Amino acid sequence: QVQLQESGPGLVKPSETLSLTCAVSGYFISSGYYWGWIRQPPGKGLEWIGSIYHSGSTYYNPSLKSRVTMSVDTSKNQFSLKLSSVTAADTAVYYCAKRSGYGWYFDLWGRGTLVTVSS
Amino acid sequence: EIVLTQSPGTLSLSLGERATLSCRASQSVGSSYLAWYQQKPGQAPRLLIYGASSRATGIPDRFSGSGSGTDFTLTISRLEPEDFAVYYCQQYGSSPPYSFGQGTKLEIK
Repeated sequence: QVQLQESGPGLVKPSETLSLTCAVSGYFISSGYYWGWIRQPPGKGLEWIGSIYHSGSTYYNPSLKSRVTMSVDTSKNQFSLKLSSVTAADTAVYYCAKRSGYGWYFDLWGRGTLVTVSS
Repeated sequence: EIVLTQSPGTLSLSLGERATLSCRASQSVGSSYLAWYQQKPGQAPRLLIYGASSRATGIPDRFSGSGSGTDFTLTISRLEPEDFAVYYCQQYGSSPPYSFGQGTKLEIK
């Protein structure tokens, strides 16, 4: 049974870099699929941030591309998100998710982690 | 970027009734590149429908999807207590970004 678990600081100061990691269990990410991040500001809708393949190939949301870096660590079976120069608008629940093998929809999600940007 | 507009914003129905949720795209997302998700409070979204009309694994057959191009519908044939939640559509027919609608809240009347 494949499971995803997000981890990282719950509080980040404005202008700093948000860093999150998603640990994958039950499946070796080096075996395939794209793995990604989606966020949801409190009380609002969903926004796809970007996705990464085990080879390091990435797709980013153009609206966030200048601030986003994703990486993958196959030895630890996890992938990571860095979002730089954060503001209060980046406060959200951040989900990691697995892309389906058949298209750019997401068939497995982590439980999410709330990141608050505040001084 | 393709913008998805869901309607209504809130839908109030009773147990056993039929729910019809709409998702309209600002431009064609292709014949079937549309997914639906269900989200309950404090939980991650769960995939319900992909390819506009295919149910994901374990999804009851009271959930069905239809549509193509710019107009899509999620139908829940007979509402059960566990169906009251927020529903999101997502398009994946164009190059990134893979956008979501703003959601429809289905509440008990």
